Formats: sequence, C-alpha cells, structure tokens
Amino acid sequence: KAGVTQTPRYLIKTRGQQVTLSCSPISGHRSVSWYQQTPGQGLQFLFEYFSETQRNKGNFPGRFSGRQFSNSRSEMNVSTLELGDSALYLCASSAWTGVTGANVLTFGAGSRLTVL
Amino acid sequence: GESVGLHLPTLSVQEGDNSIINCAYSNSASDYFIWYKQESGKGPQFIIDIRSNMDKRQGQRVTVLLNKTVKHLSLQIAATQPGDSAVYFCAEYNNDMRFGAGTRLTVKP
Repeated sequence: KAGVTQTPRYLIKTRGQQVTLSCSPISGHRSVSWYQQTPGQGLQFLFEYFSETQRNKGNFPGRFSGRQFSNSRSEMNVSTLELGDSALYLCASSAWTGVTGANVLTFGAGSRLTVL
Repeated sequence: GESVGLHLPTLSVQEGDNSIINCAYSNSASDYFIWYKQESGKGPQFIIDIRSNMDKRQGQRVTVLLNKTVKHLSLQIAATQPGDSAVYFCAEYNNDMRFGAGTRLTVKP
C-alpha cells in the first residue's frame, strides 16, 4: 500500500511569508505527527493529530500550527517565516488508535523548506 | 526536561564488523523504544522496536538491547554492510515519540 506522501518536496520562501505543507498518511492510519529536522539536530516534535484533534504539541511558537481533516490528511502551517525555520519537515503516520499502546511511526520523505 | 540522547555522534566501522550504537534516555516512564535509520534525502525508516517489558529483541542482522536500570538502549548490527551507512536515531515513547540527536554510521570497505 502507498506510504506517507508529503508535498511539496522542496520549497523556497522569504522571511515574513507563510507556508503550508501537506501530508497524506498511510491508508487507515488516523494518527499523524509532524517533526522538524535541522542540520546537527535530532527530530524535534511539533504536534500530533488524531481524528482531527491535536493530541500533543511540542515546544514551538504559535507561528507553527496544524490541522487534520476527516480523511486523516494533515497540513501544517508556519506563519511569518524566519531564517531559522529552514529545515526538513517530516510527517509520520501510525496505526495508533488511542486504545492500545504506541505504534511504529512511518515517515514520509519530508518537505525541505528554505527561508531566504 | 527529560530527553533522549546518543553517546556518540559518529561511528566508523569496517565492512563485515559488528556495529554497536548506544542511546541514553532519561524518562523512566517511557515504555516503548524504536530505532530508525535515515539515509540521505529520505525520511527515517523503522529498523526495530522494543517495549519496556522486554530487554532484548532480535531482527534480521539487528538486535536491540534495553537496560531499564541504567536507562540505556543499544542497537547492534551484525556483519555491517556499506548499505548500513546512515544516521541512526533512537526514539522513546511516553505519550508522544521523542528522538535523540542521531549517530552517523560510516562503513569502510
């Protein structure tokens, strides 16, 4: 079955602009998580959505937001872009249902954002 | 706050040797751990996982060891191959999945 699909793969923005990234999870997965990856850093947790509700949020400013649609597809938005927002943004989905314990995250290839 | 960390940022091994990548975690409430491999230009890929009620789990050429007493996780790769060259991340789960900084494994032919 198809994996996690992220679009766009690459994009360039300038400071002050806003950006929206899209993620289509594996079919049947209702949990979607977003991570920011920068050079020299590990993956930093942004937020997780389950059944259209934000379940968890990492330590990022309010400029970073997200949402999940009824078909489990998710988007994240970054407003008022800063140079430091240049990163690889990774989306992952899992079969977590809220009833059982944690499940494996399956990652997409990421959206590489460059802010000039 | 508590975090997941890795002991070494880089590891270089000879092809055919065994590799051991270590990870320290500090959240004793974490109950699920995963190792991921990330190759250049790709997202992290699942390698192996282990739940806190186990101390060892084996896969194909890989073994994960969990020592809850000292909050230590390790990934052993047997007969390391050039295709194993990548960055390896450990991750712990306690309500959400948190990742360590990563170790770059380089396999010398």
